[in-house]
Amino acid sequence: NAGVMQNPRHLVRRRGQEARLRCSPMKGHSHVYWYRQLPEEGLKFMVYLQKENIIDESGMPKERFSAEFPKEGPSILRIQQVVRGDSAAYFCASSPPTGPAFFGQGTRLTVV
Amino acid sequence: LAKTTQPISMDSYEGQEVNITCSHNNIATNDYITWYQQFPSQGPRFIIQGYKTKVTNEVASLFIPADRKSSTLSLPRVSLSDTAVYYCLVGDGERNDKIIFGKGTRLHILP
Repeated sequence: NAGVMQNPRHLVRRRGQEARLRCSPMKGHSHVYWYRQLPEEGLKFMVYLQKENIIDESGMPKERFSAEFPKEGPSILRIQQVVRGDSAAYFCASSPPTGPAFFGQGTRLTVV
Repeated sequence: LAKTTQPISMDSYEGQEVNITCSHNNIATNDYITWYQQFPSQGPRFIIQGYKTKVTNEVASLFIPADRKSSTLSLPRVSLSDTAVYYCLVGDGERNDKIIFGKGTRLHILP
């Protein structure tokens, strides 16, 4: 059973471009969580999704950021018109309806 | 969501047993206690989860007193590679909800 897969591992975007981060949950997991982490800081919750539904997006900026978890395929975190301040590590986790969540290795986004 | 409090940092030496205590005074009846480990530039790694008394796996033990207002993660015979940030989280075990991380405990193992 493969773990949570995130890709790409590293992503470089110029200011104003779009960034798409993908997360494939573990097999059998229907819940996905996205987090952002700056160097030497903690994990900041962004959004919690179940298949085809956003359950809680209270940690996600209202503008430029969106997330989806379609019926088929990976969860996508999309950042439009990236700015330097979006540079961070973005982690995805997945879980079954009950039980602990497991994290991927993250996508390191650099905006130049 | 129950708030947790843990030491900001701890130092220990190789070969020692390390105990990290987490306070969660307003833990709810359905809440489970979960610990994660995070190395720099990596995603958090699940260590252990428990509800009451004691849970042990190949990596650690988790001690939870009867009142469940605190818990202690015990790492036996630590090595340099155990240097990491350790997070204690409390959440509903009946259904998953958003997971909020605190600042964690930065454990530094010395040779």
